Amino acid sequence: GAGVSQTPSNKVTEKGKYVELRCDPISGHTALYWYRQSLGQGPEFLIYFQGTGAADDSGLPNDRFFAVRPEGSVSTLKIQRTERGDSAVYLCASSLTPGPQYFGPGTRLTVT
Amino acid sequence: DQQVKQNSPSLSVQEGRISILNCDYTNSMFDYFLWYKKYPAEGPTFLISISSIKDKNEDGRFTVFLNKSAKHLSLHIVPSQPGDSAVYFCAATQSGTSYGKLTFGQGTILTVHP
Repeated sequence: GAGVSQTPSNKVTEKGKYVELRCDPISGHTALYWYRQSLGQGPEFLIYFQGTGAADDSGLPNDRFFAVRPEGSVSTLKIQRTERGDSAVYLCASSLTPGPQYFGPGTRLTVT
Repeated sequence: DQQVKQNSPSLSVQEGRISILNCDYTNSMFDYFLWYKKYPAEGPTFLISISSIKDKNEDGRFTVFLNKSAKHLSLHIVPSQPGDSAVYFCAATQSGTSYGKLTFGQGTILTVHP
């Protein structure tokens, strides 16, 4: 079956702009996760949805970051007033809970 | 505070030999552990997991060992193949959080030479 898909694969934006990153989870997976990975590091947790609600958003670095999952399937990660330090690969994963998380290919965000 | 650590940034192994990747953790609340493999420009791929009620889990060429008292786990790949060359991440979570948040190590680059 289809895996987790993320769009766009690459995004270049100017400092101060707003960006949206989209994630389509594996069909039937109720849990959805966002992580951020910087060069040479492991993925860092941002937020976790169970259905439509955010079960844990403790990893969001500040209020410029926001994520939604209005119908319990597709999710959008939104970043306002982007900064150069936001440049990273943003990974989305989904799972049946309990169970391992399956990752998408990621969106590489570059803020210039 | 690095709760999951992979102290070897890289490992080089000959094809056909055993690869052993190590991981240490500090949070005693972690009770479910996973290994992921990552190729360049791709997302991490799930390999194998282990619950804290077990000390070993095997899947084909991959075996994960867990030593709870030492807060240490390892991934054994036997025999190693050139296609195993990738970055390997260990990750940990708590069942009390419904296995939600994964905490990852920094990764180990495995190179398997033909």
